Amino acid sequence: AIQMTQSPSSLSASVGDRVTITCRAGQGIRTNLAWYQQKPGKAPQLLIYTASSLHKGVPSRFSGSGSGTDFTLTISSLQPEDSATYYCLQDYSYPYTFGQGTKLEI
Amino acid sequence: QVQLVESGGGVVQPGRSLRLSCAASGFTFSAYTLHWVRQTPDKGLEWVAVISFDEINKYYADSVKGRFIISRDNSKNTLYLQMNSLRADDTAVYFCARDDGDFDYWGQGTLVTVSS
Repeated sequence: AIQMTQSPSSLSASVGDRVTITCRAGQGIRTNLAWYQQKPGKAPQLLIYTASSLHKGVPSRFSGSGSGTDFTLTISSLQPEDSATYYCLQDYSYPYTFGQGTKLEI
Repeated sequence: QVQLVESGGGVVQPGRSLRLSCAASGFTFSAYTLHWVRQTPDKGLEWVAVISFDEINKYYADSVKGRFIISRDNSKNTLYLQMNSLRADDTAVYFCARDDGDFDYWGQGTLVTVSS
């Protein structure tokens, strides 16, 4: 299985800050990576697919980049509603694997 | 609108079986690959299994291979997960998710607790 190493595991930032979350794959996965946001008691929601494509309805302050083994999720100007846990997912090969998650506190 | 609604969770003893269902609506169910994903506080999100739109392709996480069976009934717009030989570490919230290249829609989840 492809291991996904996500960092940091937690992060505290202020409204208006720019934050970056990283995900490293144990082997090359091209751009087969997605980012999800999850709030307590809710299902994850897709933010970014194929590493850098913004899912419909997702605010433009969210962006993704990377290919191969190293990927980043950037939130350009934090808003209070961005407080959540963020996960990366490799969908390059089965078994799909998630990162451990990054809990973002505003 | 797209809806996925899981059911069938509950408390079950170790070694017993349970079948989860995921009822879909708002889209052409038979055209989509579907997944099961589970979540625990300790391990976070864990992909469990996938089934192709035509049921031909199925894959499982190593942790459930040989114990869980994914299936679907396209005439009923329903996805299933048959869970056998349940263990304490199968305790989790189980989500179904639609695959449109990525998991674009998820159900609300159903809690499975394996405990004596």
